[in-house]
Amino acid sequence: QKEVEQDPGPLSVPEGAIVSLNCTYSNSAFQYFMWYRQYSRKGPELLMYTYSSGNKEDGRFTAQVDKSSKYISLFIRDSQPSDSATYLCAMSHLSGYSTLTFGKGTMLLVSP
Amino acid sequence: GAGVSQSPSNKVTEKGKDVELRCDPISGHTALYWYRQSLGQGLEFLIYFQGNSAPDKSGLPSDRFSAERTGGSVSTLTIQRTQQEDSAVYLCASSLVTQGGTLFFGSGTQLSVL
Repeated sequence: QKEVEQDPGPLSVPEGAIVSLNCTYSNSAFQYFMWYRQYSRKGPELLMYTYSSGNKEDGRFTAQVDKSSKYISLFIRDSQPSDSATYLCAMSHLSGYSTLTFGKGTMLLVSP
Repeated sequence: GAGVSQSPSNKVTEKGKDVELRCDPISGHTALYWYRQSLGQGLEFLIYFQGNSAPDKSGLPSDRFSAERTGGSVSTLTIQRTQQEDSAVYLCASSLVTQGGTLFFGSGTQLSVL
């Protein structure tokens, strides 16, 4: 079993839809959870950063962490064609420094 | 510069040749990471530099891969005797040490080994 599992998609939705992207993980030591967005031929950019369990909202984006289920989600409200990208979840251990463990990414396509 | 800069953006080489990939991190960022992204795969950690500490090389896939960081700034990833399976996008990222999860990525170098 891989440490982080993420459905590769593609996930196709119409403009204005609510999108749910998810990752599961196996390592209970993970404490920091992130979502990165990657446009074609670009590097990933950080969207959301959360620590431990709970919800965090930023505009149209909501990140949710359920450590008891080892499950994290990213919700996108009122999706736009400009949201079309690959979304990667990432997580790290609680330590002085840590390298991130990434999911493989989910490709999202929002059609006008 | 304003962001992480990587060069070249594309590199085509022949099997068996050596290649050097360059990364110029954000000024003031003490942490620098190299990742590899293959088609359909997630980001694979390669190596991590933090200040003057010994680098974490635990992700380097073989001894053909090496990296250095000069003066705590620019980093070079070297792949010797390239193989076709080395074909991938090589991504560099930097961060402030106190914000370990907030990585700023460059656009990557697309390496193609023929």
